[in-house]
Amino acid sequence: DAKTTQPPSMDCAEGRAANLPCNHSTISGNEYVYWYRQIHSQGPQYIIHGLKNNETNEMASLIITEDRKSSTLILPHATLRDTAVYYCIVSGGKLIFGQGTELSVKP
Amino acid sequence: DAGVTQSPTHLIKTRGQQVTLRCSPKSGHDTVSWYQQALGQGPQFIFQYYEEEERQRGNFPDRFSGHQFPNYSSELNVNALLLGDSALYLCASSSVIGAGQPNEKLFFGSGTQLSVL
Repeated sequence: DAKTTQPPSMDCAEGRAANLPCNHSTISGNEYVYWYRQIHSQGPQYIIHGLKNNETNEMASLIITEDRKSSTLILPHATLRDTAVYYCIVSGGKLIFGQGTELSVKP
Repeated sequence: DAGVTQSPTHLIKTRGQQVTLRCSPKSGHDTVSWYQQALGQGPQFIFQYYEEEERQRGNFPDRFSGHQFPNYSSELNVNALLLGDSALYLCASSSVIGAGQPNEKLFFGSGTQLSVL
């Protein structure tokens, strides 16, 4: 499974867009990019995933670069409830979590 | 529709003991994965069960074993507990999406907090 690199922490103002980057330069052709988040004291929650096209759902948007070596998760209007650890995972069969990015949304 | 349920929520054991944790998957799901999450770390993959067999395994010793029942529920067993086994144990369920390919859109339970003294 390809390794991912994420910044350990980020801040975002409430109501603004949160853009969380992820590098996955060793991704192979059949591996998907998954994003999960974990709010304190809860199990991780699925957000979105994609292969090579940009994806959007009710929670977020996922932008994957054309060479697939990096991606960005976008929370369009961050709220205080979006404060969590966000995990970017490249998977070809099982999910391997890294350290994630701790996002703090501030009023 | 109940999501993934785990029991117990908290457990205290002493070194050398054995523990069994239980998981009921989300309705309609047939695959169960187990993760260990130490404080301040991301979840670490232990193993995955499908059709009552262990399909994939992470880098965990044989002290960690599991079982999946015909109703898709699962147990995680840990023998000869060590202090380092203290962690949050997470169960996640999913459904296979054709040709036995696991679906990596997982639904997680809230976990069992195990403390080994």
